Amino acid sequence: VLTQSPDFQSVTPNEKVTITCRASESIGGVLHWYQQKSGQSPKLLIKFASQSMPGVPSRFSGSGSGTDFTLTINSLEAEDAAAYYCHQSRSLPITFGQGTRLEIK
Amino acid sequence: EVQLVESGGGLVQPGGSLRLFCAGSGFTLSSYWMYWVRQVPGKGLEWVSGVNSDGSSTTYAESVKGRFTISRDNAKNTLYLQMNSLRAEDTAVYYCARVLAGGYDSAIDSWGQGTLVTVSS
Repeated sequence: VLTQSPDFQSVTPNEKVTITCRASESIGGVLHWYQQKSGQSPKLLIKFASQSMPGVPSRFSGSGSGTDFTLTINSLEAEDAAAYYCHQSRSLPITFGQGTRLEIK
Repeated sequence: EVQLVESGGGLVQPGGSLRLFCAGSGFTLSSYWMYWVRQVPGKGLEWVSGVNSDGSSTTYAESVKGRFTISRDNAKNTLYLQMNSLRAEDTAVYYCARVLAGGYDSAIDSWGQGTLVTVSS
């Protein structure tokens, strides 16, 4: 089971945001992060806990291993309004966190 | 450009069946594990099923095991999801998703636009 926190956060532009994802058992570094904007399909931001995907802005970063993981967004921009999901593929069944919705004030 | 296009969704009565299709283009489907992932509108993502590159190994979420069947035709670059004994709780947008090169234990790097399945009388 993957548990994200918070479920919802209202933030102002230029703020730093931290989203956490906790696994119920160790998953090593097999944890990925996605961004889903309203009406769109999810987009892969970070793979294997900390590897940024090409084209993803440098303000997005990931860290962690074992059971505790973090997605950090430095200097938030208005376009970052979205839901963010963590995903573990260390073992079957594949699972996602419940999601964190970011609202930009 | 990698593209995944789902089709086959629609309105079906409880207990009915539906077959979803996912057409891949811009890449060779036979090189990748593929998933189906669903999402109730306004809610989170739920993994449904996965199939390995040659179709010889399949895996399912407990919630659909015995009712859904994933398959693929690599010659047609197409992924399928046969859904039987549908329930109201299967109502969702169904996404076709490509797993990064390797086994199932990688990230999803491409998603389709989704197809809506509504189970209702």
